[in-house]
Amino acid sequence: NAGVTQTPKFQVLKTGQSMTLQCAQDMNHEYMSWYRQDPGMGLRLIHYSVGAGITDQGEVPNGYNVSRSTTEDFPLRLLSAAPSQTSVYFCASSWGPEAFFGQGTRLTVV
Amino acid sequence: TQLLEQSPQFLSIQEGENLTVYCNSSSVFSSLQWYRQEPGEGPVLLVTVVTGGEVKKLKRLTFQFGDARKDSSLHITAAQPGDTGLYLCAGVGAGNMLTFGGGTRLMVKP
Repeated sequence: NAGVTQTPKFQVLKTGQSMTLQCAQDMNHEYMSWYRQDPGMGLRLIHYSVGAGITDQGEVPNGYNVSRSTTEDFPLRLLSAAPSQTSVYFCASSWGPEAFFGQGTRLTVV
Repeated sequence: TQLLEQSPQFLSIQEGENLTVYCNSSSVFSSLQWYRQEPGEGPVLLVTVVTGGEVKKLKRLTFQFGDARKDSSLHITAAQPGDTGLYLCAGVGAGNMLTFGGGTRLMVKP
């Protein structure tokens, strides 16, 4: 049971570099989402998708892009990394209100 | 923006003690969830409470949803070191979108 798989687990970027955080789920869930977790702030929604071809912005979308070409995959792109994007990123897929989270990607931007 | 405030932010207790964690909001949610997160892992859903005044029990954990569906509490009886972790509440809004509280970091010392 793979569930939600995120790669990489750790990443260090230089300011201005770009990268894609990968997220894949094998539960055939329509709803997927990306969150960032910072100390004392819980999880904040970056972008979400209610199905293939449909994406929308969450609470903190600036600096991030997403696409949803298949039900299984929901990558998150940082076009030009900034130190403020240093965080732990979680991808989730949901069945109704129940969210299943990946193990997270710890990103440091220097 | 709907805000969820959790208290306390940090809690360090001895094994065998009881504790209560609170989650408060000025907004009404259709339901409220509690997650537990261990270091290096994503949050895992513990419970969803739906009806105002509802009480749910999960072994030594008791969850309550306020009558007005704006607040919730998590009570742990006879805490054990295995209960150590970050506890997050999340309000479920329109379209099953989740709004997370800032979390309560619990440490239970043997």
